[in-house]
Amino acid sequence: EAQVTQNPRYLITVTGKKLTVTCSQNMNHEYMSWYRQDPGLGLRQIYYSMNVEVTDKGDVPEGYKVSRKEKRNFPLILESPSPNQTSLYFCASRRRDRLAEQYFGPGTRLTVT
Amino acid sequence: GDSVTQMEGPVTLSEEAFLTINCTYTATGYPSLFWYVQYPGEGLQLLLKATKADDKGSNKGFEATYRKETTSFHLEKGSVQVSDSAVYFCALLSGDSSYKLIFGSGTRLLVRP
Repeated sequence: EAQVTQNPRYLITVTGKKLTVTCSQNMNHEYMSWYRQDPGLGLRQIYYSMNVEVTDKGDVPEGYKVSRKEKRNFPLILESPSPNQTSLYFCASRRRDRLAEQYFGPGTRLTVT
Repeated sequence: GDSVTQMEGPVTLSEEAFLTINCTYTATGYPSLFWYVQYPGEGLQLLLKATKADDKGSNKGFEATYRKETTSFHLEKGSVQVSDSAVYFCALLSGDSSYKLIFGSGTRLLVRP
């Protein structure tokens, strides 16, 4: 089954404790991205990657890091989480030439206390 | 920059009622437009899309027409079901090199039996 998976689905952590949210897709997609969803703001892009070893900032990159060492994986790293990073996070992927067909993961709900 | 504005929710309807969710956009050029749906506890799924003016996207009884003159892409359904209860996001594909999706804030729909 074609899918985007994220882990963990739920995470409660404390300020400053480094964490990683994993994202993996099995569709051989070149393009992957991370969004955060906040009430009243919709989804905002954090980082995106056009292919392996190619990443770029989205609209709200501060406080986040990503890496793309393999085509299928695109982890999101919070080196020192803060309460304002409490949010619902979505990973997404698509083929480079299929701009309209973006597949989303199930989401990771993160709470930073 | 590009942006999407959706009507505030929640929208509460009785089963078989007519649905309209308004969406307007601001963009340079002629972006592709989308409606995504998010069912409880799940990621976003593409509901329908339109890539040029006067195109009508349709799926699962939902429709939306790309209106360039009013910069709108309103979502409609003639007879909603309880299973349509979800959050609906209007989005456009940005025209810059990131080709990212720009989302509206989302509209929650609750359909009562």
